[in-house]
Amino acid sequence: DTEVTQTPKHLVMGMTNKKSLKCEQHMGHRAMYWYKQKAKKPPELMFVYSYEKLSINESVPSRFSPECPNSSLLNLHLHALQPEDSALYLCASSQRTIMNTEAFFGQGTRLTVV
Amino acid sequence: DQQVKQNSPSLSVQEGRISILNCDYTNSMFDYFLWYKKYPAEGPTFLISISSIKDKNEDGRFTVFLNKSAKHLSLHIVPSQPGDSAVYFCAASAGNYGQNFVFGPGTRLSVLP
Repeated sequence: DTEVTQTPKHLVMGMTNKKSLKCEQHMGHRAMYWYKQKAKKPPELMFVYSYEKLSINESVPSRFSPECPNSSLLNLHLHALQPEDSALYLCASSQRTIMNTEAFFGQGTRLTVV
Repeated sequence: DQQVKQNSPSLSVQEGRISILNCDYTNSMFDYFLWYKKYPAEGPTFLISISSIKDKNEDGRFTVFLNKSAKHLSLHIVPSQPGDSAVYFCAASAGNYGQNFVFGPGTRLSVLP
């Protein structure tokens, strides 16, 4: 199984809503990532979890709250988002963060904030 | 300031010919480089990588070349196929604790039949 699975595929939410994005991998990877990608731009790193601990937070606003309940799951909790937060949110995983390995990406969640 | 640059936003190549996608980086701490391919509405798919201790890595039709002194890498696709049409991202990381993949802006490759 070399898949990173993200749910939902599409999400429309209002600015007062609370929602969560979910990501799952069963490759035994101990590093998991959230990226944000706006149209015609490269993916931008938001968070890195290493061994279920948050190791990088790229100055992301607190309306985005990551959570890593176990080594296979990664959530991104959303609250009070703005329309400019509309983007493709990508989850990725890699074997480790202390050695060079490739990251595998999920299909993404297309988020629209109205 | 972009740490990873792909100066060609787009590239068109005839089927069967070689596609060469270029990437430049500025951060000398980068020691691992990757190429990803992305179709619309999908996540990036890993293609090939190279460590800074090598200058070439080959996998089937894909070859990546690294010139550390020039801080330049390139992806060669031979022969190019219409299914290769996608956006190609170059990515780099410093390989330290807390691996952070930094992506270039991407090059859209169109392989014409």
